[in-house]
Amino acid sequence: DSGVTQTPKHLITATGQRVTLRCSPRSGDLSVYWYQQSLDQGLQFLIQYYNGEERAKGNILERFSAQQFPDLHSELNLSSLELGDSALYFCASSVDGYQPQHFGDGTRLSIL
Amino acid sequence: GDSVTQMEGPVTLSEEAFLTINCTYTATGYPSLFWYVQYPGEGLQLLLKATKADDKGSNKGFEATYRKETTSFHLEKGSVQVSDSAVYFCALSPLSGANNLFFGTGTRLTVIP
Repeated sequence: DSGVTQTPKHLITATGQRVTLRCSPRSGDLSVYWYQQSLDQGLQFLIQYYNGEERAKGNILERFSAQQFPDLHSELNLSSLELGDSALYFCASSVDGYQPQHFGDGTRLSIL
Repeated sequence: GDSVTQMEGPVTLSEEAFLTINCTYTATGYPSLFWYVQYPGEGLQLLLKATKADDKGSNKGFEATYRKETTSFHLEKGSVQVSDSAVYFCALSPLSGANNLFFGTGTRLTVIP
């Protein structure tokens, strides 16, 4: 158990819809990262937050957004969903944004 | 830009065989290097890491040495077990800027009794 909690574990929805994925970091970790794992793109970094502030952006689509709340949990919002958004979405956390990241078990998103 | 090239799989070995999974990287400066393992239905777990040249990371019988001259971080294990069956990812984290990870494509290892 990494200590990083992601909910829900599975999500099935339709094209055009909007979903919210939630992540609770390990106790004491200030930084949260979001990654997307798909068959064609592999594991790709989406976005990083540190103590509530956005720190870095990767290959995140404009239809996607995220935030980190004062209690340090984070949400990834995906809107206008397309079939190609079907993937495993991982959250990871680290103490200070520089130490090794610890991953949650992921949310599997299926778009029908 | 920063990237990781990892040996394509899948790899199938008999129990107690020697394992090598090749990983090379491209990065400016001296990144930190990692191996993560993903068991079926689970998230990624940090297996081992190295933060500077010639460092050797080790854990659970797995080893990898940070080779700056060959920009490599190959994963090795002397005697694999069935329980080692998983997908292994090589990753790097740039020294400067954000600490996000750049992953290789992953190598699926299957160990048969």
